[in-house]
Amino acid sequence: KQEVTQIPAALSVPEGENLVLNCSFTDSAIYNLQWFRQDPGKGLTSLLLIQSSQREQTSGRLNASLDKSSGRSTLYIAASQPGDSATYLCAVWNRDDKIIFGKGTRLHILP
Amino acid sequence: SAVISQKPSRDICQRGTSLTIQCQVDSQVTMMFWYRQQPGQSLTLIATANQGSEATYESGFVIDKFPISRPNLTFSTLTVSNMSPEDSSIYLCSVDTGNSGNTIYFGEGSWLTVV
Repeated sequence: KQEVTQIPAALSVPEGENLVLNCSFTDSAIYNLQWFRQDPGKGLTSLLLIQSSQREQTSGRLNASLDKSSGRSTLYIAASQPGDSATYLCAVWNRDDKIIFGKGTRLHILP
Repeated sequence: SAVISQKPSRDICQRGTSLTIQCQVDSQVTMMFWYRQQPGQSLTLIATANQGSEATYESGFVIDKFPISRPNLTFSTLTVSNMSPEDSSIYLCSVDTGNSGNTIYFGEGSWLTVV
């Protein structure tokens, strides 16, 4: 059974710092891995999708990597800003078409 | 991409009542899903809404409690029946457009509080 773990559960960093969020999964036989952002009381916004054949994706200040063999993904945020404060969720798409979410990392950027 | 509208965005419901949540997509999509996110928890898939046939429910979720309609390729509803405080959650509609490598998109969610 696929399990997705995100570490840390919460993180506070000063504005301007670079940071890394971690996601690990137990079954490496996945189609895709996707990172989302969720603001309090809101739905999810897709940030980056990495297909199983890819190793990383970049969008602006965000870079996501995928190492299927070790069951790990990282989300790198450069030059963090207060507006980056949110919960970041990692989701893996299993080969049985089930999407499994981690519990998220609550990020707080200190002005 | 896909733009997904959910109604209502928030509601306070009385115990024992039922509420229907609507999900409208701005384009035709094959796959529509309903998720629940209880306070402090991650998302849990309730069911896949199939167009023209009965929804496919995940373990722990049943049609009598969460009836789902999918009359066409752009619209779906989820009803939360006979609500109890344990049903207080955010309910999210999501779609897979089949484009961009199967990126999934989510609506803004419907935040239900049962009192």
